[in-house]
Amino acid sequence: GAVVSQHPSRVICKSGTSVKIECRSLDFQATTMFWYRQFPKQSLMLMATSNEGSKATYEQGVEKDKFLINHASLTLSTLTVTSAHPEDSSFYICSAPWWQGRNTEAFFGQGTRLTVV
Amino acid sequence: GESVGLHLPTLSVQEGDNSIINCAYSNSASDYFIWYKQESGKGPQFIIDIRSNMDKRQGQRVTVLLNKTVKHLSLQIAATQPGDSAVYFCAESDLNTDKLIFGTGTRLQVFP
Repeated sequence: GAVVSQHPSRVICKSGTSVKIECRSLDFQATTMFWYRQFPKQSLMLMATSNEGSKATYEQGVEKDKFLINHASLTLSTLTVTSAHPEDSSFYICSAPWWQGRNTEAFFGQGTRLTVV
Repeated sequence: GESVGLHLPTLSVQEGDNSIINCAYSNSASDYFIWYKQESGKGPQFIIDIRSNMDKRQGQRVTVLLNKTVKHLSLQIAATQPGDSAVYFCAESDLNTDKLIFGTGTRLQVFP
């Protein structure tokens, strides 16, 4: 199967600073990637759709100026949490769809645990 | 619409028993459904999928059932093993967008 790599796996930052999370498709090209946020004991909430070469599409209630998404190449999408606050502490997960004939399967990164102190 | 996060319900089963995990999906236009397994601190792992033109699909030790009439999905795990302990999520998708919307999730605990 395809591999999606996410980096870093864990990050601790001070309140008010920005943090960048990378999502890479290692052995396939992804014109679209998805970013999710997951709070403890809760489900994955879709934040935005990252589109290669164009603006990201954000889900309702997600601040685009706070969660900057850049999809500059067919294998890399980045999520930058700007001016992070403790309430942004969460598990961030990316995924990339890979067409496998009849169906498109989503491959997920390992996730990034963000802690804002 | 988006799935609202809730505290996870828990299913406890004895090793060797069969497990059934249920999920209600929200969008009647969804035509592709997937079950994922998530272990602590990791991303979701694909288990099995089903398209809306099917009502049952079997894999190795797992079966997914789809009831479109009541928008219900279930995952059956045969002969549950300790390694099956994890949180299980269903996800729905419209094949035109590839966007996945996740359900609430169920924590499966397997005891000896």
